[in-house]
Amino acid sequence: DQQVKQNSPSLSVQEGRISILNCDYTNSMFDYFLWYKKYPAEGPTFLISISSIKDKNEDGRFTVFLNKSAKHLSLHIVPSQPGDSAVYFCAASGNAGGTSYGKLTFGQGTILTVHP
Amino acid sequence: DSGVTQTPKHLITATGQRVTLRCSPRSGDLSVYWYQQSLDQGLQFLIHYYNGEERAKGNILERFSAQQFPDLHSELNLSSLELGDSALYFCASSVGTSGRRSEQFFGPGTRLTVL
Repeated sequence: DQQVKQNSPSLSVQEGRISILNCDYTNSMFDYFLWYKKYPAEGPTFLISISSIKDKNEDGRFTVFLNKSAKHLSLHIVPSQPGDSAVYFCAASGNAGGTSYGKLTFGQGTILTVHP
Repeated sequence: DSGVTQTPKHLITATGQRVTLRCSPRSGDLSVYWYQQSLDQGLQFLIHYYNGEERAKGNILERFSAQQFPDLHSELNLSSLELGDSALYFCASSVGTSGRRSEQFFGPGTRLTVL
């Protein structure tokens, strides 16, 4: 049962344009969402997060949008740069019967390629 | 550099053996999490420790165990290794307790190969 899904395995965009990465979730107990970026042979690097009480959070070139009714979140990168080429994971956490919020449930990842 | 360190970086061993993976969290972080990334399963949560106490378990096999020591470093012990245990093992740390949401910072991982 995949509770967090990234349906696009890959995305290719031109440098300077917008990259939009999408993520869907099924568990309504999730209330905190994060995006991570991962290069080969390295650990995931935290990018940006959003709590379920918000619908948007912005940090520099990165903006995350949350649509709770659709159980959907997206990461916008504007403008995209070649150095953004990596695998992007969305992750979710929440209160599951009083146990740790800390457990992150990850999507399968989307490979972003930004062409010069 | 996330501030989370993991050793060793690579580990090659044989089936049936036992290994120990080590993680040192970021300074000040009390929570340590272990994740497994295999080719077909993606990143899967294994276990969470907060200040020395186990807080949550994921799909961790009975052959696997972990602990967090008073200096807050953590070890993941994998025993009776099977070929299918070959994966990347990541440790992450955060300031947060079970009642507080906070981002997790990941170490570089240990690549385990079981032959």
